[in-house]
Amino acid sequence: KQEVTQIPAALSVPEGENLVLNCSFTDSAIYNLQWFRQDPGKGLTSLLLIQSSQREQTSGRLNASLDKSSGRSTLYIAASQPGDSATYLCAVRRNPNNNDMRFGAGTRLTVKP
Amino acid sequence: GAVVSQHPSWVICKSGTSVKIECRSLDFQATTMFWYRQFPKQSLMLMATSNEGSKATYEQGVEKDKFLINHASLTLSTLTVTSAHPEDSSFYICSARAPPATGELFFGEGSRLTVL
Repeated sequence: KQEVTQIPAALSVPEGENLVLNCSFTDSAIYNLQWFRQDPGKGLTSLLLIQSSQREQTSGRLNASLDKSSGRSTLYIAASQPGDSATYLCAVRRNPNNNDMRFGAGTRLTVKP
Repeated sequence: GAVVSQHPSWVICKSGTSVKIECRSLDFQATTMFWYRQFPKQSLMLMATSNEGSKATYEQGVEKDKFLINHASLTLSTLTVTSAHPEDSSFYICSARAPPATGELFFGEGSRLTVL
């Protein structure tokens, strides 16, 4: 059974700092991995999707990497801003015919002005 | 990105009543939608997969008679919590995949259910 772990559970940084969020998964046989952002009491916003054949994806100040063999993904946020404060979730999907996505518990990020 | 809308965003009901939550894909057709449940400070748990024109597929441990799912059209799926009890209080989120089958999942805003 796929287990997804996110470390740390919470992170607080001053504005302007670069930071890395970690996601690890136990079964390397994945179809893709997706990073989401969730604001308190809200749904999820898709940030980046990495297919299993890809090593990284970039969108603005965000960069996500994927190392399937080691079961790890990182989300790099450059020049953090208070508006980046939210919970960041990663989720892995096993195969295209399987709709089961396993989510990590998330990392709660606070960026202090 | 694609837009998925949920309604209502929050609802309070008395124990024993039924509550319906709607999930709509606004700018695309979704043959498959997903329903998740999220407890405070915990991750999302897949409850069921909603299939347009056929029965929903429920995850192990989810009571199909309690959580009724209907996928009435290619843009609408509904989750009805029947005979709700306080332990059903939770945050319910739906999602859908936008075509083509790239795998990217888009989520609704979530519905906060509180059962008194």
